[in-house]
Amino acid sequence: ELKVEQNPLFLSMQEGKNYTIYCNYSTTSDRLYWYRQDPGKSLESLFVLLSNGAVKQEGRLMASLDTKARLSTLHITAAVHDLSATYFCAVDLGGSEKLVFGKGTKLTVNP
Amino acid sequence: DAMVIQNPRYQVTQFGKPVTLSCSQTLNHNVMYWYQQKSSQAPKLLFHYYDKDFNNEADTPDNFQSRRPNTSFCFLDIRSPGLGDAAMYLCATGLGGVYNEQFFGPGTRLTVL
Repeated sequence: ELKVEQNPLFLSMQEGKNYTIYCNYSTTSDRLYWYRQDPGKSLESLFVLLSNGAVKQEGRLMASLDTKARLSTLHITAAVHDLSATYFCAVDLGGSEKLVFGKGTKLTVNP
Repeated sequence: DAMVIQNPRYQVTQFGKPVTLSCSQTLNHNVMYWYQQKSSQAPKLLFHYYDKDFNNEADTPDNFQSRRPNTSFCFLDIRSPGLGDAAMYLCATGLGGVYNEQFFGPGTRLTVL
């Protein structure tokens, strides 16, 4: 059974600081997705990582995938309040249409 | 714009009174998913359709049913809602196959009184 662990689950940081969210998974997969969810809203796709070494960047967020370590990171650079949200990683189960989600990281960026 | 649409956005029902949630898509995706999400939790997959093939998760209660009359529409029926079924219900679509990125609708917030 594929397990996906995110840490930290809660992250409070100051504006302007850098931090990294980690997503570990338990079995081989080379496809991983990051989603953002604002309170009371749906999930919005952020990044699609489809191979070992994949790196994607959008604004102050950068995601990477190391399939050998079974690890993806979401790096936040110079955080701003607008980045406050819950971030989920989801791993492709392989051989099916399903994704396995991590529990999410609730990020709060304080002024 | 191609999109996933859910109706209604907010639904209030009474304990035990059947309710139907609707999802439609203009993306022409093969797969449609229904998730239940409770506060501060990850989305929980209830079931999904790959074209007309229905795939139920083992732990989805019998109280939850789904229909997909055509490619564009999918419905979630809750036959006898309980207080524990109050949640956000998310519909998502995807191409299936090798590339499983899922695109989510705005969700329906269900309240059970």
